[in-house]
Amino acid sequence: DAGVTQSPTHLIKTRGQQVTLRCSPKSGHDTVSWYQQALGQGPQFIFQYYEEEERQRGNFPDRFSGHQFPNYSSELNVNALLLGDSALYLCASSVGLSYNEQFFGPGTRLTVL
Amino acid sequence: AQSVTQPDIHITVSEGASLELRCNYSYGATPYLFWYVQSPGQGLQLLLKYFSGDTLVQGIKGFEAEFKRSQSSFNLRKPSVHWSDAAEYFCAATSGTYKYIFGTGTRLKVLA
Repeated sequence: DAGVTQSPTHLIKTRGQQVTLRCSPKSGHDTVSWYQQALGQGPQFIFQYYEEEERQRGNFPDRFSGHQFPNYSSELNVNALLLGDSALYLCASSVGLSYNEQFFGPGTRLTVL
Repeated sequence: AQSVTQPDIHITVSEGASLELRCNYSYGATPYLFWYVQSPGQGLQLLLKYFSGDTLVQGIKGFEAEFKRSQSSFNLRKPSVHWSDAAEYFCAATSGTYKYIFGTGTRLKVLA
């Protein structure tokens, strides 16, 4: 049973560019959440997708957007990259909108130069 | 505002010694509470969780945590640390949604 997978593993971009990160949830899961983990910090909630809609959002600017596909996989898009966007981006999957345990993927390490 | 605090940034213990990692939370009502472990280059692995009921929670890898409502704490413990326990540990909380709030983490170093 494959867990949560994320791609790519690592990514290097320059300021002002745009980036897309991808996440495939654990089998049977239909809810995807995204977190940003800056170096030396705990993860911070970006947003959550369920039934292809953004359901909850953390304190992140509109430069951060996402999408969920009919197969429940998800993308995180970040526009106009800033140096401060350098972080580990974690995807977590779960079932439904009522709380169930989240399972985290290994993350995508984004470096902005 | 809701918050989770891990007062210790770094902790060093000798292999075989006991361990306690501290976590305090600030929420309007008692949240769901979690401890995760993160090894370098890895994602987060759930060690244990508390929803309600028995305040002493058993987890994987020999870890346990005790919920104390009066102190707003959820401290993680292990009676005897192994070298493989060296990692970063995160306490997290949620009011019942998938929006977790994490502490800043405690990095554990284990001396041989």
